[in-house]
Amino acid sequence: EVQLVQSEAEVKQPGESLRISCKGSGYRFASYWIGWVRQMPGRGLEWMGIIYPGDSDTRYSPPFEGQVTISADKSINTAYLQWSSLKASDSAMYYCARLDYGSGTLFGDYWGQGTLVTVSS
Amino acid sequence: YVLTQSPSVSAAPGKTARITCGGNNVGTESVNWYQQKPGQAPVLVIFYDSDRPSGIPERISGSKSGDTATLTISGVEAGDEGDYYCQVWDGSLDPWVFGGGTKLTVL
Repeated sequence: EVQLVQSEAEVKQPGESLRISCKGSGYRFASYWIGWVRQMPGRGLEWMGIIYPGDSDTRYSPPFEGQVTISADKSINTAYLQWSSLKASDSAMYYCARLDYGSGTLFGDYWGQGTLVTVSS
Repeated sequence: YVLTQSPSVSAAPGKTARITCGGNNVGTESVNWYQQKPGQAPVLVIFYDSDRPSGIPERISGSKSGDTATLTISGVEAGDEGDYYCQVWDGSLDPWVFGGGTKLTVL
């Protein structure tokens, strides 16, 4: 059974750093892209970036380029999303998703349960 | 590019709900659809315009005409309430785009 398990909710202060994780199981982790998606309170889904754990090829959505870092460690089947200096506006739910590819499209066929990040002083 | 969805749709139990997704690339790219129930992670319900993942009932279907994709839910049930998002991938600089989402209310 394919599963993506994300790290627990975090409460941080502005300016702090943070890394959240997404651990895959039940499939060959290195062979599927992982995507990160932000959902701010009461808002829609926003694609942040994707990574291919097999070779760490990473692509960012323009609004998130330089704001976050996406990485992966295929030896432990885990992808990461990290911030070096959090802002209050980073408060949101963050989802990871396994991306399957075919017919010229990528789609999220399995999703993590989400990690709620709250940034407040 | 932008995918445009109506903010809300409503349907009575047993009736049919149709959720549309429009955009310049819709006609040439595969459209995928996700359901997100309150407090839950998104779930893929349609990929490649009209294919259903295993476990998704046949009363949920997808279609496309020109630059508009449509998600149709037949025999609407209370459990279908939630937000529905379309998504397209075109390999460009900002390749993985979601529509703004449509809230389905079951009357």
